[in-house]
Amino acid sequence: DGGITQSPKYLFRKEGQNVTLSCEQNLNHDAMYWYRQDPGQGLRLIYYSQIVNDFQKGDIAEGYSVSREKKESFPLTVTSAQKNPTAFYLCASSGTGGSITDTQYFGPGTRLTVL
Amino acid sequence: AQSVTQLGSHVSVSEGALVLLRCNYSSSVPPYLFWYVQYPNQGLQLLLKYTSAATLVKGINDFEAEFKKSETSFHLTKPSAHMSDAAEYFCAVSSLGAGNNRKLIWGLGTSLAVNP
Repeated sequence: DGGITQSPKYLFRKEGQNVTLSCEQNLNHDAMYWYRQDPGQGLRLIYYSQIVNDFQKGDIAEGYSVSREKKESFPLTVTSAQKNPTAFYLCASSGTGGSITDTQYFGPGTRLTVL
Repeated sequence: AQSVTQLGSHVSVSEGALVLLRCNYSSSVPPYLFWYVQYPNQGLQLLLKYTSAATLVKGINDFEAEFKKSETSFHLTKPSAHMSDAAEYFCAVSSLGAGNNRKLIWGLGTSLAVNP
């Protein structure tokens, strides 16, 4: 089955530690996205990538880093510089043709809790 | 710049009643609009999208939305609510930014409760 997988589903981190969230897609999509979701704030874009080896900052990139070495993978690292990392993180992908009307498909999310 | 406003962060309906979730957008270019649904602790799933082909768009699970340019609206409706419709609903508009980078601009979401 084609889709997007995120792992782990739940993640606990101590303050001061970096942690990496995994996102893999087998939809052959060119674009991939990372969002952060907090109650009442909707989805906020962290980083996105339209093509391998290229990515752009979204609206709340501070304290996060990404890489896009392979088309199917877009891992997100939450660094110790992120002051309030506890949130639900969603990965999405879109586009085999690069159209503005492309639907974004979402993974099941990772809930990160900082202890 | 594009933006999306969802009117009403919480909506409650009775089972079998009409569902109406409101979305207004602002866009300097012809918009492409989306409605997504999110069940608790899950990712988002596309309900329907408007891409200028037809103003009345039908989606999954009997949801539909009508694009009204004069009102800059894209409200989501369903004739008869079911208990399984209880979820968070998000409206989004597609944005073309600098360097032709495409992204979605999201509303804050509307939580739909369905009462028996």
